[in-house]
Amino acid sequence: QKEVEQNSGPLSVPEGAIASLNCTYSDRGSQSFFWYRQYSGKSPELIMSIYSNGDKEDGRFTAQLNKASQYVSLLIRDSQPSDSATYLCAVKREYNFNKFYFGSGTKLNVKP
Amino acid sequence: NAGVTQTPKFRILKIGQSMTLQCTQDMNHNYMYWYRQDPGMGLKLIYYSVGAGITDKGEVPNGYNVSRSTTEDFPLRLELAAPSQTSVYFCASSTDRSGSSYEQYFGPGTRLTVT
Repeated sequence: QKEVEQNSGPLSVPEGAIASLNCTYSDRGSQSFFWYRQYSGKSPELIMSIYSNGDKEDGRFTAQLNKASQYVSLLIRDSQPSDSATYLCAVKREYNFNKFYFGSGTKLNVKP
Repeated sequence: NAGVTQTPKFRILKIGQSMTLQCTQDMNHNYMYWYRQDPGMGLKLIYYSVGAGITDKGEVPNGYNVSRSTTEDFPLRLELAAPSQTSVYFCASSTDRSGSSYEQYFGPGTRLTVT
């Protein structure tokens, strides 16, 4: 079983719609959760972090965490063509020297 | 702050050659990491370091070596390059300071081809 699982996509949404990206993780000891955006040929950049159950909003982005279900999601409202990228989910275990585990990413295409 | 810098940006190696990928950060972060990313895949941890003089293996350490003599630098050494090491290599750093978000900052990457 993979540490972090994501649907590889591609996920296609029309401009202005809500994009919903999902991630599950296997270790209940995971405490910190991150969403990174990666444009083709570029390095990952952090867009959201979440540490407790519930929702966290930042502009058009909302991260949702459910530790009981071992599930974290990212919602992008009013999707723009510039949001087209691969989104990587990462989790960190507090007891393991700040090691991060990454999913393989979900490719998002926002169509004008 | 320059953040995390990596050199070179691109490199082509012949099978059996060796090289060192350089990584430097100016954020005084204790934790540093090396990842590889194969096409269409996520990041796989090669090695990491929790501070100067302390390193440990990640998921895919075979064929690589690291050292950490200073807080700022974390070079990755490839010995006897093989085609399976063709990949994009990312260096990252993060802080362990209480109250911080522990987020990782990534360098721009090194695209390596072994032929």
